Amino acid sequence: RKEVEQDPGPFNVPEGATVAFNCTYSNSASQSFFWYRQDCRKEPKLLMSVYSSGNEDGRFTAQLNRASQYISLLIRDSKLSDSATYLCVVPARYNAGNMLTFGGGTRLMVKP
Amino acid sequence: NAGVTQTPKFQVLKTGQSMTLQCAQDMNHEYMSWYRQDPGMGLRLIHYSVGAGITDQGEVPNGYNVSRSTTEDFPLRLLSAAPSQTSVYFCASSYTSSFRETQYFGPGTRLLVL
Repeated sequence: RKEVEQDPGPFNVPEGATVAFNCTYSNSASQSFFWYRQDCRKEPKLLMSVYSSGNEDGRFTAQLNRASQYISLLIRDSKLSDSATYLCVVPARYNAGNMLTFGGGTRLMVKP
Repeated sequence: NAGVTQTPKFQVLKTGQSMTLQCAQDMNHEYMSWYRQDPGMGLRLIHYSVGAGITDQGEVPNGYNVSRSTTEDFPLRLLSAAPSQTSVYFCASSYTSSFRETQYFGPGTRLLVL
């Protein structure tokens, strides 16, 4: 089983729709989780951090289910500008540093 | 602040050639790392550094060397390029090595090895 798994999509949704992505992780000891956004041919940028049961930032809500080991990202009232790939990231201690374990990403395409 | 900068943006190499990918940050971050991104596989950690003079291997270090002589710079060297090293390379930095820290990524270097 991959350490972090995501449905690659693409998810094609109309503007204004609500869309949700799930991400499953295998390391039950993980305490922190992140969603990064990556636009086509650009670098990943932090979207949200999740340390407890969830986090909300405007139209974006991240929820954590530790028992089932998955994190979800909900986007309400989708905008054209939300079109991107969303990366689920689980950091873990790696020797003296840390290692971000990335899922393969879920591609979202918001259509007019 | 320029943030994290990487050069070159694109590079084509022949098998067996060597080259250095440059990475610099002006945020006084102690922690720097290199990732490669391949289609469908997510980003994978190559090497990292927790401070000047200290480096360590990541998940996929074979074929790569790094050094950290200053806080600002963290170059990645390909010793003898192979087609399997065709990828997009991202450098990242954060204030400390805590996994709660936000990682800031550079714009990436696209490498094609023929």
